[in-house]
Amino acid sequence: RKEVEQDPGPFNVPEGATVAFNCTYSNSASQSFFWYRQDCRKEPKLLMSVYSSGNEDGRFTAQLNRASQYISLLIRDSKLSDSATYLCVVRSESKLTFGTGTRLQVTL
Amino acid sequence: NAGVTQTPKFRILKIGQSMTLQCTQDMNHNYMYWYRQDPGMGLKLIYYSVGAGITDKGEVPNGYNVSRSTTEDFPLRLELAAPSQTSVYFCASSYSLASGSYEQYFGPGTRLTVT
Repeated sequence: RKEVEQDPGPFNVPEGATVAFNCTYSNSASQSFFWYRQDCRKEPKLLMSVYSSGNEDGRFTAQLNRASQYISLLIRDSKLSDSATYLCVVRSESKLTFGTGTRLQVTL
Repeated sequence: NAGVTQTPKFRILKIGQSMTLQCTQDMNHNYMYWYRQDPGMGLKLIYYSVGAGITDKGEVPNGYNVSRSTTEDFPLRLELAAPSQTSVYFCASSYSLASGSYEQYFGPGTRLTVT
């Protein structure tokens, strides 16, 4: 089993749609969780951290379920500029483990 | 601040050649990392460093070497390049764990092709 698993997509959605991605992780001792965004041929950048109580940043909502070992990202009112690959990232001690990413394509 | 800078941006190597990928950060971060990203794959940790003079292996260290003589610089050395090392290489840095901030800041990447 991979340490961090994501559906690679692509998810093709129209502008204004709501889309959700899930990610599962195998290490129950993982300490922190993040969503990174990676544009085509660019470096990853932190989108948001994921907290146990769930957290929201504008149109983005992240949830963590430790019991089931999964993380989710919800994007509301999708914009063309949201088109990117979203990486689920799990921290254990000083190391981050990256999922392979879920590709999102938002269309007119 | 320039953040994390990497040179070169692109490089083509012949099998058996060697090269050094340069990485510099100006954020006074203690931790630095080297990753490789193959098409359709997640980032794989090659080596990391928690401070000047300290380095440790990551998930895929074979065929690579690193050094960390200063806080700012963390070069990655490829000896005897092989086609399997064709990849995009990202350098990253972060504050220490004690700071409570775990965000890693990435450089723009080096695209390496070995033929």
